[in-house]
Amino acid sequence: TQLLEQSPQFLSIQEGENLTVYCNSSSVFSSLQWYRQEPGEGPVLLVTVVTGGEVKKLKRLTFQFGDARKDSSLHITAAQPGDTGLYLCAGRADGLTFGKGTHLIIQP
Amino acid sequence: NAGVTQTPKFRILKIGQSMTLQCTQDMNHNYMYWYRQDPGMGLKLIYYSVGAGITDKGEVPNGYNVSRSTTEDFPLRLELAAPSQTSVYFCASSYVGDYGYTFGSGTRLTVV
Repeated sequence: TQLLEQSPQFLSIQEGENLTVYCNSSSVFSSLQWYRQEPGEGPVLLVTVVTGGEVKKLKRLTFQFGDARKDSSLHITAAQPGDTGLYLCAGRADGLTFGKGTHLIIQP
Repeated sequence: NAGVTQTPKFRILKIGQSMTLQCTQDMNHNYMYWYRQDPGMGLKLIYYSVGAGITDKGEVPNGYNVSRSTTEDFPLRLELAAPSQTSVYFCASSYVGDYGYTFGSGTRLTVV
């Protein structure tokens, strides 16, 4: 069974600050997906990374897949209140395994 | 496009009652999934389907049943509801298996 550990579990920062959240495993994944979930809604897919070392940017969000395809990071530049939510990573191997998520709060 | 639609949004059941959570998608996706989400526990796969007429168990199938008679619909049946089934349930679909899910907005179920 693959496990994905996300850290930190909770993060509260001020608007305009930068932050990085992590998704780590001892297992190798063929791809890694990131989702954002807002209260009362289902997760929404942000990005999928497939190649080891791959970097993808989505406006102020930068996603990186580790060289060994065991870990990933999400960096947000100049965080805004609209970035508030639960960020979930999901690794694809034998099925899709979700991490427990990082609860992110951006305070105005 | 509506994407993935789940009904009802909220439901309270008494112990021992039964109900069906509805899920329909209009994207012609072959793959559909049911998850439950509990605080601090992440998303757990209950059942999944790779196409009409084909279903299989996920990580936590006990107490649930599914059917897939059409590509669009994937209902989840709870028989003899128990307090342990209090959770938020999400249906999802994808074009490729385990890749790029579209989730519904969830059903919050409380069993009392």
